[in-house]
Amino acid sequence: DTEVTQTPKHLVMGMTNKKSLKCEQHMGHRAMYWYKQKAKKPPELMFVYSYEKLSINESVPSRFSPECPNSSLLNLHLHALQPEDSALYLCASSPLRQAIYEQYFGPGTRLTVT
Amino acid sequence: GNSVTQMEGPVTLSEEAFLTINCTYTATGYPSLFWYVQYPGEGLQLLLKATKADDKGSNKGFEATYRKETTSFHLEKGSVQVSDSAVYFCALYNNNDMRFGAGTRLTVKP
Repeated sequence: DTEVTQTPKHLVMGMTNKKSLKCEQHMGHRAMYWYKQKAKKPPELMFVYSYEKLSINESVPSRFSPECPNSSLLNLHLHALQPEDSALYLCASSPLRQAIYEQYFGPGTRLTVT
Repeated sequence: GNSVTQMEGPVTLSEEAFLTINCTYTATGYPSLFWYVQYPGEGLQLLLKATKADDKGSNKGFEATYRKETTSFHLEKGSVQVSDSAVYFCALYNNNDMRFGAGTRLTVKP
């Protein structure tokens, strides 16, 4: 199984809402990533988890809160977002942090903040 | 620092035409180079890679050669199909840093 799944596929939320994005992989990968992708732009790395521990936070605002409950799951908790946070949020995983170039991407969650 | 520059799109071709998407990079040392493809509504997929100078990566009829002397990794395909319509990203990996180019949208018309 070489698949990364993400739920939900689409999400519309207000600026006062709290919601969560979920990501799952069963490839035994020990590194997982969150990316943000604005329209017609490349993905921008937000967070890196290695062996379930946060290893990189690319200066992301605190209204985004990642969580890695176990080696297969990655969540992104959202609170008090702004309209400019509307984007495609991609999850990815790779065998190890050092092998990020072997990452598999999920299909993404398209988030709209109203 | 590390950076990737790729040709701006969009690129529109007829089926069976020859494709070239240019990519150049800036990096210290010896980066690994990649092409990813993103089909509509999907995440990125690794298309091909090259890890050292003069390596040629290939997959699904696409090819790219790692040229250190020109710091380039241009993507080519001899005969594109409608199903190749997607956004193509050039990327590099160097010193634990992964960088993507801005992406080039390709549309292939029947």
